[in-house]
Amino acid sequence: SQQGEEDPQALSIQEGENATMNCSYKTSINNLQWYRQNSGRGLVHLILIRSNEREKHSGRLRVTLDTSKKSSSLLITASRAADTASYFCATASRMDSSYKLIFGSGTRLLVRP
Amino acid sequence: NAGVTQTPKFRVLKTGQSMTLLCAQDMNHEYMYWYRQDPGMGLRLIHYSVGEGTTAKGEVPDGYNVSRLKKQNFLLGLESAAPSQTSVYFCASTLGASSYNEQFFGPGTRLTVL
Repeated sequence: SQQGEEDPQALSIQEGENATMNCSYKTSINNLQWYRQNSGRGLVHLILIRSNEREKHSGRLRVTLDTSKKSSSLLITASRAADTASYFCATASRMDSSYKLIFGSGTRLLVRP
Repeated sequence: NAGVTQTPKFRVLKTGQSMTLLCAQDMNHEYMYWYRQDPGMGLRLIHYSVGEGTTAKGEVPDGYNVSRLKKQNFLLGLESAAPSQTSVYFCASTLGASSYNEQFFGPGTRLTVL
């Protein structure tokens, strides 16, 4: 079962433009994470936002969280060709003595030079 | 530090063959995970381990077995491969039980079962 669903599935923008990706989830969370996956590579952690936070920044990344709507957005400002990748949101779900991450299906971002 | 490494990078199997995927991490992480990624989907958890000598089932464990004999290694085995197991397999590790810990991923193994 997938907790997070990203929207849009694919996004194509010009270099320098902003890219916004959205994620919706189903159950209550204590944090939400965003990961990036370059083609043919593993996932890399970008940013984590806690359930009591509404907005968080990291460099050109801005993440928002609306727990009442069970949604999050990732904004990449002033995009570069190197930002071309797939972006996944992930929520932590309790699993015995640990947590597992449940990933959405991802947004494929293409930044055209 | 190499982080999380996976071997092999690519493999083609015939239906019914067996193989083992190796994951190694040098970050002294307690928790390790095996995921599979299929086109248009996020990652799905196959098995995980919360420490040396322990393993547990994830979302999609059928057809796979795992072992964690050493803290730094997590092996994923396919005893009798099926075409439905064609996928990209990722290993990940994390420091401990907290949901606030990020997971560190290996580069993946692309497996094709004919």
